Amino acid sequence: AQSVTQLDSHVSVSEGTPVLLRCNYSSSYSPSLFWYVQHPNKGLQLLLKYTSAATLVKGINGFEAEFKKSETSFHLTKPSAHMSDAAEYFCVVSDRGSSNTGKLIFGQGTTLQVKP
Amino acid sequence: DTAVSQTPKYLVTQMGNDKSIKCEQNLGHDTMYWYKQDSKKFLKIMFSYNNKELIINETVPNRFSPKSPDKAHLNLHINSLELGDSAVYFCASSRRGGGPYNEQFFGPGTRLTVL
Repeated sequence: AQSVTQLDSHVSVSEGTPVLLRCNYSSSYSPSLFWYVQHPNKGLQLLLKYTSAATLVKGINGFEAEFKKSETSFHLTKPSAHMSDAAEYFCVVSDRGSSNTGKLIFGQGTTLQVKP
Repeated sequence: DTAVSQTPKYLVTQMGNDKSIKCEQNLGHDTMYWYKQDSKKFLKIMFSYNNKELIINETVPNRFSPKSPDKAHLNLHINSLELGDSAVYFCASSRRGGGPYNEQFFGPGTRLTVL
């Protein structure tokens, strides 16, 4: 069965400094991985997705994630945080079991706080 | 143009009532989903419909019933509401199938409060 673990429930950075949100996954299959962002009182927006074409995935708003099979990780990074990045971030794996239903399994979420 | 829309945005009701939340997508997707986000922001899938056929039905109480009149709509009907049903409910849609092409587009959410 697939699962994801977000290693930090809360991350606080200063504006202009790098962001690192950590995610480990568990999957019996070649995983499909996503990062979604949820701004306060808003819906979820896809930041980026791992398509297996490249291990370094670039997303919107300057975010990137690197798929590391040996470490079963898919950490999200951004070189320089902006105040507008403050939000809840979810690491997600797609269920690709025999039924291949496309079910998404969410991590517990990481709250990113950006200080001026 | 809103890709996935939900109504209402906020729903406040009394225990024991029956209520519905509507969802519509204009993306031409085959598959639609309902998720529940609890007070700790944990998101879990409830149902998934593919072209009007139920394909995921997680262990939710049978007071919850999804209804899909056509592939662009997936409504959530809840009978005999309980305090524990208070949450934010998200609708989503995607093309059929898993893998990297199963990007799901989410609606803005409906915050349900049961008093």
